[in-house]
Amino acid sequence: DQQVKQNSPSLSVQEGRISILNCDYTNSMFDYFLWYKKYPAEGPTFLISISSIKDKNEDGRFTVFLNKSAKHLSLHIVPSQPGDSAVYFCAAIPLSGGYNKLIFGAGTRLAVHP
Amino acid sequence: NAGVTQTPKFRILKIGQSMTLQCTQDMNHNYMYWYRQDPGMGLKLIYYSVGAGITDKGEVPNGYNVSRSTTEDFPLRLELAAPSQTSVYFCASSYSPTGRAGGELFFGEGSRLTVL
Repeated sequence: DQQVKQNSPSLSVQEGRISILNCDYTNSMFDYFLWYKKYPAEGPTFLISISSIKDKNEDGRFTVFLNKSAKHLSLHIVPSQPGDSAVYFCAAIPLSGGYNKLIFGAGTRLAVHP
Repeated sequence: NAGVTQTPKFRILKIGQSMTLQCTQDMNHNYMYWYRQDPGMGLKLIYYSVGAGITDKGEVPNGYNVSRSTTEDFPLRLELAAPSQTSVYFCASSYSPTGRAGGELFFGEGSRLTVL
């Protein structure tokens, strides 16, 4: 029973275009969401987060949007660069928990090609 | 700064063997975690620790043990290896127990374990 779902295992985008990675969740108690980026043979690294009291958070080329009614969040990368090619994990924390309650999605592999 | 260091990076075990995955961090973080990642799945928490001498089970603790004798080290022990424990293991640490206070979760590079 996956509480955090990333339904697209992979995504291919041309350099300079927008990359949109999607994530759906089922638990309405989740109140904090994070995106992690992982290169091969490395550990995940934190990318961006959003609290449930917001619907958008932006950091440079990366923007996360949260639609609480749809239980959906998305990560937008504009413009996409070849160095963005990695696996992106969506993760969520419930109101009552910390990192010990962090739930990860299965990841989406992004390939940015010239 | 080395951050979070895991050893070994790769290991092949036979069924029934035991081993310890080592994890050390040099950021003076109180909170440390062990995750496993199976193909096509998200990371799942095995055990975590909120400080030296204090550990607790995560979502998938069966078949594993941990100890936390120092702030820096958080080894993961597999006592009787089984094929179901074939996975990539990640150790992580954080200053804050949650992401809300701006406390980032730092991961090691991972240890790929195969049990045959």
